[in-house]
Amino acid sequence: EAGVAQSPRYKIIEKRQSVAFWCNPISGHATLYWYQQILGQGPKLLIQFQNNGVVDDSQLPKDRFSAERLKGVDSTLKIQPAKLEDSAVYLCASSRRTGADTEAFFGQGTRLTVV
Amino acid sequence: SQQGEEDPQALSIQEGENATMNCSYKTSINNLQWYRQNSGRGLVHLILIRSNEREKHSGRLRVTLDTSKKSSSLLITASRAADTASYFCATPDSWGKLQFGAGTQVVVTP
Repeated sequence: EAGVAQSPRYKIIEKRQSVAFWCNPISGHATLYWYQQILGQGPKLLIQFQNNGVVDDSQLPKDRFSAERLKGVDSTLKIQPAKLEDSAVYLCASSRRTGADTEAFFGQGTRLTVV
Repeated sequence: SQQGEEDPQALSIQEGENATMNCSYKTSINNLQWYRQNSGRGLVHLILIRSNEREKHSGRLRVTLDTSKKSSSLLITASRAADTASYFCATPDSWGKLQFGAGTQVVVTP
């Protein structure tokens, strides 16, 4: 089966600009996650969707980050305006369902550099 | 704070040697998972060990879990250059949200 698709792979923007990332999960996967991975650290969850509803967005900096999953399939993550500390890899993952015993499949990520 | 913490932070070995890394976590778990990340293939799920299991094998991988010590170890036997990557342990909450450690960077030299 096709994996989780993300685009773009790389993005360089200036601080205060806006940027959007796109994710297409594995077909049939109800749960979608966005993680932020800063260099040298493990991934940290930003937001979790179950179909088109938000399960957990407690770690999402809502003053500048937004995410949506219209129709419960594709998802976009937006940063507006970007700060230098937003430089990171943004990983999208999906799983068949919500729960502790489900395997998450990750996309290759979008590497964002804010200058 | 992160749930899992890997040790060591970095590991350098030669092909054919074994590599062992450890993970400690803080709260009770349903299962613990190990992931590998390299630049070519992103983050890949390696193995899941449930809280009622003590040891699990998958190919050249061996994972142990000690819930009394809140720790796990990952052993890679007969390492290859292709095993060069960062390895993360992760624990899910009841919704499936994964909490990752900072990872162990493994370099395997020919």
